[in-house]
Amino acid sequence: DAGVTQSPTHLIKTRGQQVTLRCSPKSGHDTVSWYQQALGQGPQFIFQYYEEEERQRGNFPDRFSGHQFPNYSSELNVNALLLGDSALYLCASSLEGLAGHTGELFFGEGSRLTVL
Amino acid sequence: LAKTTQPISMDSYEGQEVNITCSHNNIATNDYITWYQQFPSQGPRFIIQGYKTKVTNEVASLFIPADRKSSTLSLPRVSLSDTAVYYCLGGLWGGANNLFFGTGTRLTVIP
Repeated sequence: DAGVTQSPTHLIKTRGQQVTLRCSPKSGHDTVSWYQQALGQGPQFIFQYYEEEERQRGNFPDRFSGHQFPNYSSELNVNALLLGDSALYLCASSLEGLAGHTGELFFGEGSRLTVL
Repeated sequence: LAKTTQPISMDSYEGQEVNITCSHNNIATNDYITWYQQFPSQGPRFIIQGYKTKVTNEVASLFIPADRKSSTLSLPRVSLSDTAVYYCLGGLWGGANNLFFGTGTRLTVIP
């Protein structure tokens, strides 16, 4: 049973560029959340996708956008990259039917983005 | 927003029991308390979750007093492989944007 997979694992971009990160949820999961984790900090919630729609959003600018596909996989897009966007981007999946009964999120290994 | 407060770091010797306390004064009635473990360059991993009193699983115990304003994660007989950052979260999963990770507690297990 494959867990949450993310790609790419590492990437380097320059300021002003755009990046797309990808996530495949754990088998059987239908909800995907994205987090940004700066060095030495805890993960910060970006947004959550369910049924191909953004359901909740954290305090991130519109430069951060996403998409969920019919197979539940998801993409995170960041436009006009800033140096401060350098971080580990984590994808977490869960099963909507368990909402409110368990807070168990299954995280991927993350995509480490470096902006120069 | 169920913000939590934890010690920034703790050290422990191998084989000892470690207790990490988390303060969550503004936890809501429907909020659960969940703990995650994170190793460097990996995503967090769920450890345990509870609502009140005591919960125990194969890796940890979680103690939550009646007022639910704090909780204590207990790791029995830690080993070097338990060196990690531990996050306490208060929130209802259905409201994902109120799952506030904070900076966590960095546990270092010493040989």
